[in-house]
Amino acid sequence: GQQLNQSPQSMFIQEGEDVSMNCTSSSIFNTWLWYKQDPGEGPVLLIALYKAGELTSNGRLTAQFGITRKDSFLNISASIPSDVGIYFCAGVIQGAQKLVFGQGTRLTINP
Amino acid sequence: GAVVSQHPSWVICKSGTSVKIECRSLDFQATTMFWYRQFPKQSLMLMATSNEGSKATYEQGVEKDKFLINHASLTLSTLTVTSAHPEDSSFYICSEKRQGAYEQYFGPGTRLTVT
Repeated sequence: GQQLNQSPQSMFIQEGEDVSMNCTSSSIFNTWLWYKQDPGEGPVLLIALYKAGELTSNGRLTAQFGITRKDSFLNISASIPSDVGIYFCAGVIQGAQKLVFGQGTRLTINP
Repeated sequence: GAVVSQHPSWVICKSGTSVKIECRSLDFQATTMFWYRQFPKQSLMLMATSNEGSKATYEQGVEKDKFLINHASLTLSTLTVTSAHPEDSSFYICSEKRQGAYEQYFGPGTRLTVT
């Protein structure tokens, strides 16, 4: 089945640093989604991408839909303590309803 | 604000008993609901897809007789874990998707502990 390879699996950074994570796949997706999950909570949608090459921002977050439609990245600028959590990418194959999830990137911020 | 609610947020039950988890859409536009299970430090695993008035579609390896899903109204889907065992202890999360959209909105999750 389809798989998304998300990296890195974990990041330990200082407050104020920029963060970058990405997802790649051997399959083509027509939608990429980025979610953040806090401990004991459900994932919250951060950014949705619908077209190859699309670059979308949400505050300090920026995500891009790769030109090949097989990858996406998420950048967080000037990280703050509330950015701590697990970030998941998810893709949707054309014609499908299901989301294919990456393994998650656990972000830890040292004050 | 939140568009999906779940109840209860946590539940402890004895082995062999059944537990029902409710997932409710708060914006009355959900057409499809999904049920996921998440083990510690792992990603979300899709269990089943649920549409109002029709039988749920279960993912491979998920026992439909053990995880009963009912989607009797547009805004409410329920997951019943029957004859629960300790290995069913997990974080169960539902989501909703509107017709024509691809993004899913997740509920806050239900922590199930089977003793």
